[in-house]
Amino acid sequence: EAGVAQSPRYKIIEKRQSVAFWCNPISGHATLYWYQQILGQGPKLLIQFQNNGVVDDSQLPKDRFSAERLKGVDSTLKIQPAKLEDSAVYLCASSYGGRMNTEAFFGQGTRLTVV
Amino acid sequence: AQKVTQAQTEISVVEKEDVTLDCVYETRDTTYYLFWYKQPPSGELVFLIRRNSFDEQNEISGRYSWNFQKSTSSFNFTITASQVVDSAVYFCALRDSNYQLIWGAGTKLIIKP
Repeated sequence: EAGVAQSPRYKIIEKRQSVAFWCNPISGHATLYWYQQILGQGPKLLIQFQNNGVVDDSQLPKDRFSAERLKGVDSTLKIQPAKLEDSAVYLCASSYGGRMNTEAFFGQGTRLTVV
Repeated sequence: AQKVTQAQTEISVVEKEDVTLDCVYETRDTTYYLFWYKQPPSGELVFLIRRNSFDEQNEISGRYSWNFQKSTSSFNFTITASQVVDSAVYFCALRDSNYQLIWGAGTKLIIKP
């Protein structure tokens, strides 16, 4: 079974530029998550989708971050404009459902460096 | 409010030693789930175990074992006869009725040959 695919693996941009990340979840997984992980910290949820609807985006900085999941499969996360503090690893995860007992499976992440 | 505390920032042991990673959680819910994930240097978070709040039986999987004690709100993880490949950051996480995964800060485990 193929895992969660993310691209690119690494990205370096200058502040104020824009950047986009792509995620393809495990086939059949209705729930998709985007996390931000700053070095030395645990993951922080940015947004959770159930199919193509948003379940939770309470911690998404909506003035600069946006995400979409068209057709309920692939998803993109965009940052525009980027700030230095956005340097982090962006992790995509998926799960079969959004229930309490469902474990999430993670991709390898995209390491973003903003200079 | 929910919270997960992993007080050990970094642990270093010599190969073949046993090592225990601590996890203490806070929640007001009676129904919740606890998870452990491993994050090797490659960066991918790997699911290790899920435990629900009504099942306090300890679990063993090969060299890995987990001790869940509701009385102390702890869900500790022990690696027996550690190996260099066990070197990684280990995260404990909680999910309760809010459905969000609440993560600890992680414990970096270094296994020296």
